[in-house]
Amino acid sequence: EAGVVQSPRYKIIEKKQPVAFWCNPISGHNTLYWYRQNLGQGPELLIRYENEEAVDDSQLPKDRFSAERLKGVDSTLKIQPAELGDSAVYLCASSLVGLSTTELFFGEGSRLTVL
Amino acid sequence: TQLLEQSPQFLSIQEGENLTVYCNSSSVFSSLQWYRQEPGEGPVLLVTVVTGGEVKKLKRLTFQFGDARKDSSLHITAAQPGDTGLYLCAGETDSWGKLQFGAGTQVVVTP
Repeated sequence: EAGVVQSPRYKIIEKKQPVAFWCNPISGHNTLYWYRQNLGQGPELLIRYENEEAVDDSQLPKDRFSAERLKGVDSTLKIQPAELGDSAVYLCASSLVGLSTTELFFGEGSRLTVL
Repeated sequence: TQLLEQSPQFLSIQEGENLTVYCNSSSVFSSLQWYRQEPGEGPVLLVTVVTGGEVKKLKRLTFQFGDARKDSSLHITAAQPGDTGLYLCAGETDSWGKLQFGAGTQVVVTP
């Protein structure tokens, strides 16, 4: 079974430029998460989707970040314009919520460097 | 501010030694999970604990969930270099599907 697929793995941009990250979750998983992880820290939730609905986006900086999950499958996270402080690893995860506990399956992440 | 506090932040030991890492919170969790993350990879789930006082063993790893479901520990016996990684705890509260992570404990096991 294929895992969570993310692209690109690495992205280097100059500040004020836009950037987009793509995620393909595990087939059948109804919930998709975007996390941001700074160096030496744990992942911080940006947005959580149940099917195509964003059910928790309270930590998403909405002035510059946007996300979408069309048809409840793939998802895209966009930053426009990027700032120096956005340098981090952006992790996508999926799960099948509805079981007794939630277990996340992560992709390898997209490492963003803003110069 | 992290909801879950992990300690220590960093741990370096020799192969064959034992180690324990801790995950503490003032909140009650319906479940708590431990993940291990290696450089350049996403976190990988090790175990889920759901019952207060529960103890789970995974080969040389022993996980314990506190009686009040607010804290947890991970004990590794006879650590090996392959145990090196960032150990993350994550708690699920009443909001179904919402997991919050601690800052992690970086473990380095040298031969």
